[in-house]
Amino acid sequence: QVQLVQSGAEVKKPGASVKVSCKASGYTFTSYDINWVRQATGQGLEWVGWMSPNSGNTGYAQKFQGRVTMTRDTSINTAYMELSSLRSEDTAVYYCARNIPSGGTFDYWGQGTLVTVSS
Amino acid sequence: QAVLTQPSSLSASPGASASLTCTLRSGINVGTYNIYWYQQKPGSPPQYLLRYKSDSDKQQGSGVPSRFSGSKDGSANAGILLISGLQSEDEADYYCMIWHNSAWVFGGGTKLTVL
Repeated sequence: QVQLVQSGAEVKKPGASVKVSCKASGYTFTSYDINWVRQATGQGLEWVGWMSPNSGNTGYAQKFQGRVTMTRDTSINTAYMELSSLRSEDTAVYYCARNIPSGGTFDYWGQGTLVTVSS
Repeated sequence: QAVLTQPSSLSASPGASASLTCTLRSGINVGTYNIYWYQQKPGSPPQYLLRYKSDSDKQQGSGVPSRFSGSKDGSANAGILLISGLQSEDEADYYCMIWHNSAWVFGGGTKLTVL
């Protein structure tokens, strides 16, 4: 069965970086894009960006340009999202989700990773 | 003004129907967009419900009951998620989403209460 399993919760200080992983199984990793979506406590969903595991191409929300980097390791079917220059407003649950290239059907989601930014 | 605007909350009775709206910002024509709908329950990631562009171009999520359906109101420039025969398990947050200016954009979400 399709699964996206994310790395565990992180606590970081302001100005630091965090790297969250998303390990895919149950399907051909390079056939679907991986998107990252975040959600602050009690707030709505916010799209961070996407990555093609096949080509390595990426696209980031303007808000995160220059601070986010999405990569992958196809040998272990894992996608990564690194967010730098963290601030308290980045405290949120970060989800990975797969979709058919160029489609908005995010049909499988990871369980979420809580990133807490606090001094 | 936000790209997508959803009412923050909606209440409806079991067995009734609920119509959740997703209004596109002026200047963005709902007719040209696929509108995606997601349901999220507390403590869980969102779940894909359906995609709607037109009656001839739509997709239901795998395993999603047919009582969830999509439509558009061109005069209001809005996408609509209709849930008929409301059940207590439908109580959740609902988000719409579109692809706009090379980015996925979510609405702010509607909290649906079934009481």
